[in-house]
Amino acid sequence: DQQVKQNSPSLSVQEGRISILNCDYTNSMFDYFLWYKKYPAEGPTFLISISSIKDKNEDGRFTVFLNKSAKHLSLHIVPSQPGDSAVYFCAAHGPVQGAQKLVFGQGTRLTINP
Amino acid sequence: EPEVTQTPSHQVTQMGQEVILRCVPISNHLYFYWYRQILGQKVEFLVSFYNNEISEKSEIFDDQFSVERPDGSNFTLKIRSTKLEDSAMYFCASSARVRGETLHFGNGTRLTVT
Repeated sequence: DQQVKQNSPSLSVQEGRISILNCDYTNSMFDYFLWYKKYPAEGPTFLISISSIKDKNEDGRFTVFLNKSAKHLSLHIVPSQPGDSAVYFCAAHGPVQGAQKLVFGQGTRLTINP
Repeated sequence: EPEVTQTPSHQVTQMGQEVILRCVPISNHLYFYWYRQILGQKVEFLVSFYNNEISEKSEIFDDQFSVERPDGSNFTLKIRSTKLEDSAMYFCASSARVRGETLHFGNGTRLTVT
């Protein structure tokens, strides 16, 4: 049951360039999407979210884009910094359970090279 | 910034033994959760808890698992008779609301069943 998929297990980007992490979902009932960042030996940390009524949300260097027709979202980080090296998880939930039942993707390990 | 704390950070137990994982959620939060991540796999929802009862649970959360909020601050996950496949990182999380709300995760307890 892979309702949220991150097809790239890893991504390597040069410092200062743009990092683009992708996520696809299959459940059309999802109405809220989140990105979490995870360092080793730590829990996931919330990064940015977007409601299904929007197609873009920006917070500093981080922008999330949502394409509902394609059931696709992406996280853009620009400029990428060494501290951005982490595993990034896409997550989603629907209107009924809300955040009570987040569904996570498999994660993408982002490495920022100096 | 307030945070979710989990103890212990690492628990080793023998198959068939009972374990209790402990969590102190953020103090003004009302919703509490357990997630787990088996090594190399995605973060999976186990259970959510609100108003002193389970509000949602996954197929993983069978009769071997139970949760409790024994006092005003702690939130525990008990596994009655551990199996090898219970080895995973267990993350506790909490949130103030359930809609449009991010979950705040603890750093996890690594459970190793031998």
